Amino acid sequence: DMKVTQMPRYLIKRMGENVLLECGQDMSHETMYWYRQDPGLGLQLIYISYDVDSNSEGDIPKGYRVSRKKREHFSLILDSAKTNQTSVYFCASSSIYEQYFGPGTRLTVL
Amino acid sequence: GQQVQQSPASLVLQEGENAELQCNFSTSLNSMQWFYQRPEGSLVSLFYNPSGTKQSGRLTSTTVIKERRSSLHISSSQITDSGTYLCAINTGNYKYVFGAGTRLKVIA
Repeated sequence: DMKVTQMPRYLIKRMGENVLLECGQDMSHETMYWYRQDPGLGLQLIYISYDVDSNSEGDIPKGYRVSRKKREHFSLILDSAKTNQTSVYFCASSSIYEQYFGPGTRLTVL
Repeated sequence: GQQVQQSPASLVLQEGENAELQCNFSTSLNSMQWFYQRPEGSLVSLFYNPSGTKQSGRLTSTTVIKERRSSLHISSSQITDSGTYLCAINTGNYKYVFGAGTRLKVIA
């Protein structure tokens, strides 16, 4: 069963705290993504990873970093979270044809 | 400018009516995909359709590369079709650009 998982599903943090969002996939896809989705703005690409330790900035990387030490696992890190990083974050993985999405993490930064 | 534009932005249908959703793109693409986003937020892939016509049940996707457009036709709409429909194009190097979506509401 092809699956992308995300943890946690909901998270509330205070401004300045560190945030770790985790993503896993069981399809052995080389390529994985982190997006954020805000009302009226659609899905925006934060980072893309082409394989272990092969990461590339997307359209809005500022304030984020990523880590990929295993092919099946991709993390998004917010060092000192800001209120404008409140959003829904989606992880995805991709074959050469299609993207598959995780269920999303709703992050609130107070 | 925006690379992917979807229309209409929102749509209300009576149950049983048909709908045609449009996705226009301003750049060449390697592939394109239609997604359905459920009201609770999760995303489901509907079609991978870089060219031609594909059908799945009541849904039909048609992509015309030279006209830089793709459409999603929903026939005999049902209340459970309500949600947001997103198109995304792969511009190369595995990067996808998403449209802002069409929000569909089907009423009884």
